[in-house]
Amino acid sequence: GAVVSQHPSRVICKSGTSVKIECRSLDFQATTMFWYRQFPKQSLMLMATSNEGSKATYEQGVEKDKFLINHASLTLSTLTVTSAHPEDSSFYICSARDLLGGPQETQYFGPGTRLLVL
Amino acid sequence: AQTVTQSQPEMSVQEAETVTLSCTYDTSESNYYLFWYKQPPSRQMILVIRQEAYKQQNATENRFSVNFQKAAKSFSLKISDSQLGDTAMYFCAFSRGLQGAQKLVFGQGTRLTINP
Repeated sequence: GAVVSQHPSRVICKSGTSVKIECRSLDFQATTMFWYRQFPKQSLMLMATSNEGSKATYEQGVEKDKFLINHASLTLSTLTVTSAHPEDSSFYICSARDLLGGPQETQYFGPGTRLLVL
Repeated sequence: AQTVTQSQPEMSVQEAETVTLSCTYDTSESNYYLFWYKQPPSRQMILVIRQEAYKQQNATENRFSVNFQKAAKSFSLKISDSQLGDTAMYFCAFSRGLQGAQKLVFGQGTRLTINP
């Protein structure tokens, strides 16, 4: 149980284009999902908290118009990197919290998406 | 604001040895949760162990155990009988124990290598 998937696993795009990353909780419902960014050999940096049916909460310094988050259902959140530039190249990870079961406050992580912007 | 500090960027031990990874944190909260996550080369984050701050008993999961010292704000991870598959980045993380989903605050990570 408690499986989170991400799609795509890796994507290469041209500078100026937009890229959408999906995060799905496969066997549980999640009112809240989290989006992280991880640079090589560094820790995870929280970008935003995605709440089902409401606006996402962004961390300080994260551009909400640059990183659009939509959480339209209890099992799906999407992160869209708009007008991507090479500096947006990174590893993006989502996590989800089990609303109805599982240990309290435990987040389950997706496998990550590697984005390369040329 | 909460902070989590892992003072050991890298560690290396021989297979079957015991290794302890250090983690300290800073918070004014009385109720919170602490976690150790493992990130192997695949980069999939895997929960290793969790500890509720209100529990005095140290959490244990098979070969993994923690030494939770609340007063000292220390949360170390001990891996017994280490295996090659334990090679990974290990992250200590903190979560506030409030209503609603709380974000995780991660430490910088410790790269652990198990040598054959």
